[in-house]
Amino acid sequence: GENVEQHPSTLSVQEGDSAVIKCTYSDSASNYFPWYKQELGKGPQLIIDIRSNVGEKKDQRIAVTLNKTAKHFSLHITETQPEDSAVYFCASWDFNKFYFGSGTKLNVKP
Amino acid sequence: GAGVSQSPSNKVTEKGKDVELRCDPISGHTALYWYRQSLGQGLEFLIYFQGNSAPDKSGLPSDRFSAERTGGSVSTLTIQRTQQEDSAVYLCASSLAGANVLTFGAGSRLTVL
Repeated sequence: GENVEQHPSTLSVQEGDSAVIKCTYSDSASNYFPWYKQELGKGPQLIIDIRSNVGEKKDQRIAVTLNKTAKHFSLHITETQPEDSAVYFCASWDFNKFYFGSGTKLNVKP
Repeated sequence: GAGVSQSPSNKVTEKGKDVELRCDPISGHTALYWYRQSLGQGLEFLIYFQGNSAPDKSGLPSDRFSAERTGGSVSTLTIQRTQQEDSAVYLCASSLAGANVLTFGAGSRLTVL
């Protein structure tokens, strides 16, 4: 089955700096890659996603890149703010099943 | 409803007791997923429903775990004879048929003493 690995497990940045979280997947049939943000005490919330026919997608300060050949995708957050502090999960989707990474705890220091 | 609703939000139970966790998905969402999130860990897939059928229940950890869905809407996850290792947050998510964008509920936090 699919295996999604996510790095780093924790990331601490200064407000205004950029943050990058990386994920790799194993199943070349996976074709949809969402990123979720989970704040304390809440369920994960979709923040951006990318499909396998696209290499990059941006939404304001957030971007996701996908390298299908290397089977990895990354989340980029620019100009980080304290409210970006949360746990971020990557995921891949294949045949009605989502496979999640282990999560990255992002801490943005004011 | 406007979002995915889960109840109870918190449940404390004694080892050996049975518990039921409920998920009310977004109206019209035919796909429903249950995940388990242990403290500081990622999301562990438990079971997936399409309508009332469960084509994939491969993630259920043991025969103490079961789930059902009625009327293509509300789902109940039942854990029998709870163990301490069952302590976790149980998350429910739903999506439209043929779509793969998940909307999660806030989760049910289960503590087994």
